[in-house]
Amino acid sequence: AQSVTQPDARVTVSEGASLQLRCKYSYSGTPYLFWYVQYPRQGLQLLLKYYSGDPVVQGVNGFEAEFSKSNSSFHLRKASVHWSDSAVYFCVLRRAGKLTFGDGTVLTVKP
Amino acid sequence: NSKVIQTPRYLVKGQGQKAKMRCIPEKGHPVVFWYQQNKNNEFKFLINFQNQEVLQQIDMTEKRFSAECPSNSPCSLEIQSSEAGDSALYLCASSPGRSSYEQYFGPGTRLTVL
Repeated sequence: AQSVTQPDARVTVSEGASLQLRCKYSYSGTPYLFWYVQYPRQGLQLLLKYYSGDPVVQGVNGFEAEFSKSNSSFHLRKASVHWSDSAVYFCVLRRAGKLTFGDGTVLTVKP
Repeated sequence: NSKVIQTPRYLVKGQGQKAKMRCIPEKGHPVVFWYQQNKNNEFKFLINFQNQEVLQQIDMTEKRFSAECPSNSPCSLEIQSSEAGDSALYLCASSPGRSSYEQYFGPGTRLTVL
C-alpha cells in the first residue's frame, strides 16, 4: 500500500504566484514527515520537517507546510515562487527508521 | 546544505562488471543510509549502518550488493555483477543518530550499466 501519495505529478505556476503542492500519507502511528527538493543533477535537500506540535512548520527559502491529522495531509506552500524553485519536490514519511518517498511533483516556474 | 560526499558522481559499467561507490557522511553522523532512485523517481532503501554495524538491509543487498562502513574510511556500496536494471542514482544519506529523524543526502552516484 502506498504510504505517501503526491496526486500532482506536474505543477506549473508563474513566477510570483503562490504555490501549494499536495501530499497525503497513510500511517497508523505518529508520522514523521518531511519535504525534500531535488534540483537537476543534484541530491536531495531537506526543506522542512514535522514531528509534533504546531501543525504549520517553516522551512528554508520561504517554504512552509501544514500537517493535518484529520485529513492525513502534509501540504507544502509558498507565498511567492521564484524561477529557481523549479525542481522535483518529494513528500517523505519516516517509517521503521527508513524513509518512504512519494512519487514526486515536478514544479515548473514560468518567467 | 548537506556535507555528505559521494564519489564518483558518474559510473559507467558493462553488464557483469563490479561497480563500487563511496560515501563520506557528515562529520559526527554515525548513521548512514543507502537508497536507490530509479528513472521513475522510485526510491528503494538498500541498507543502513550505525558506525560499522548493519542496522537494516533488504534482501537484494544480501545477494549481489554489499556494503560496509569501516572506521576511519569512507562507507562503500558495491555491486558484484552489474545488471542493466541496476542503472540508477545511488544516494547516500547520514543522520546524527538512530533517534534523530532527519537524513541528509549527498549528490549521489549515477550508475549506468551498458
